[in-house]
Amino acid sequence: GAVVSQHPSRVICKSGTSVKIECRSLDFQATTMFWYRQFPKKSLMLMATSNEGSKATYEQGVEKDKFLINHASLTLSTLTVTSAHPEDSSFYICSASERGVDTEAFFGQGTRLTVV
Amino acid sequence: GENVEQHPSTLSVQEGDSAVIKCTYSDSASNYFPWYKQELGKRPQLIIDIRSNVGEKKDQRIAVTLNKTAKHFSLHITETQPEDSAVYFCAASMGGSYIPTFGRGTSLIVHP
Repeated sequence: GAVVSQHPSRVICKSGTSVKIECRSLDFQATTMFWYRQFPKKSLMLMATSNEGSKATYEQGVEKDKFLINHASLTLSTLTVTSAHPEDSSFYICSASERGVDTEAFFGQGTRLTVV
Repeated sequence: GENVEQHPSTLSVQEGDSAVIKCTYSDSASNYFPWYKQELGKRPQLIIDIRSNVGEKKDQRIAVTLNKTAKHFSLHITETQPEDSAVYFCAASMGGSYIPTFGRGTSLIVHP
């Protein structure tokens, strides 16, 4: 299957700093990527849909200025958590579907963010 | 929007037994139903999926059934093994735009 790579897998940062998470589709072009947040033992909560070359579409309740999403190319989307606080600590996962193909979504390996 | 309910939240079985996880969805326009397995701290992995033009699909020990009229679909795992222990998520989407709505997950524990 297609490969989606997410980096870093773990990050610890201080309160008030910003953290960037990258999501890359390694062997296919993804016009759309999705960013999810997952709390312990909970389901995947869609945060935003990242569209290549245009602004991301955020789900209700997700702060656009706090979670900055950039999708500058067909293979890369980034999520930047700005001015991080301990309550932002979570597991963040991206997923992508192959351009023009109605098929499954492939997930990145996730990023465990801990804000201290 | 779509709403997906998943039950049970926790399922504990003995090795060799069968496990069944059930999901319901609300939007009759949904036509693609994947199931994902997620091990602790890892990414969800697709294990089986079914489209609305099919009522049942099987892959070795795993099967999925779909009842479009009732808007529910189920995952069946036979002859469970300890390595089947994980969290399983069902999802529903309308294809095309491909944003799946996930169920809350079922933590399956298979006791040796």
